[in-house]
Amino acid sequence: GIQVEQSPPDLILQEGANSTLRCNFSDSVNNLQWFHQNPWGQLINLFYIPSGTKQNGRLSATTVATERYSLLYISSSQTTDSGVYFCAVPSSNTGKLIFGQGTTLQVKP
Amino acid sequence: NAGVTQTPKFQVLKTGQSMTLQCAQDMNHNSMYWYRQDPGMGLRLIYYSASEGTTDKGEVPNGYNVSRLNKREFSLRLESAAPSQTSVYFCASSRGPGSNQPQHFGDGTRLSIL
Repeated sequence: GIQVEQSPPDLILQEGANSTLRCNFSDSVNNLQWFHQNPWGQLINLFYIPSGTKQNGRLSATTVATERYSLLYISSSQTTDSGVYFCAVPSSNTGKLIFGQGTTLQVKP
Repeated sequence: NAGVTQTPKFQVLKTGQSMTLQCAQDMNHNSMYWYRQDPGMGLRLIYYSASEGTTDKGEVPNGYNVSRLNKREFSLRLESAAPSQTSVYFCASSRGPGSNQPQHFGDGTRLSIL
């Protein structure tokens, strides 16, 4: 089945710094989602981005489907950005999502 | 707009007890999913229902059963809980496979089995 790999596994930033998280996937996909799992465990939808670039405030995401990767950019990081960031892709025509292992981000004040 | 609602939010069980986790969505979605998340890991699919009246196994179905009660509701049952089933359980829904629409997740149920 399709494999999803995220890097880096852990990231520590000083508040105000920028960062890039990467998601590689092993097969062609027709959509991709980025989630933020906050310290309370809630999964927050960040982006649904099968291809191209989308921006939402300080966050943006780019998916290059032909090269099988997606990037999540966080600019001017804040302590509230801390948590785990997951990317996920559908495995087949059933729509079930395959998740990467996540990137744990800690933003220090 | 509630989205996906899961109950209960927390539960502690003893080994061998049974319980049912409830999930309901108000987005008129066709497909619903149950995932579990273990420490330091991403989510793994337990069961899913592509449409009302159908259910299928995911990656880790052993020890669980599901019921798609109607289009809105999809329940997950543990018949005889085991400590290995201590986890956080997430329900999700989407318009359906091939719809190119995102999945939406509930807030999760934290289940501890002693």
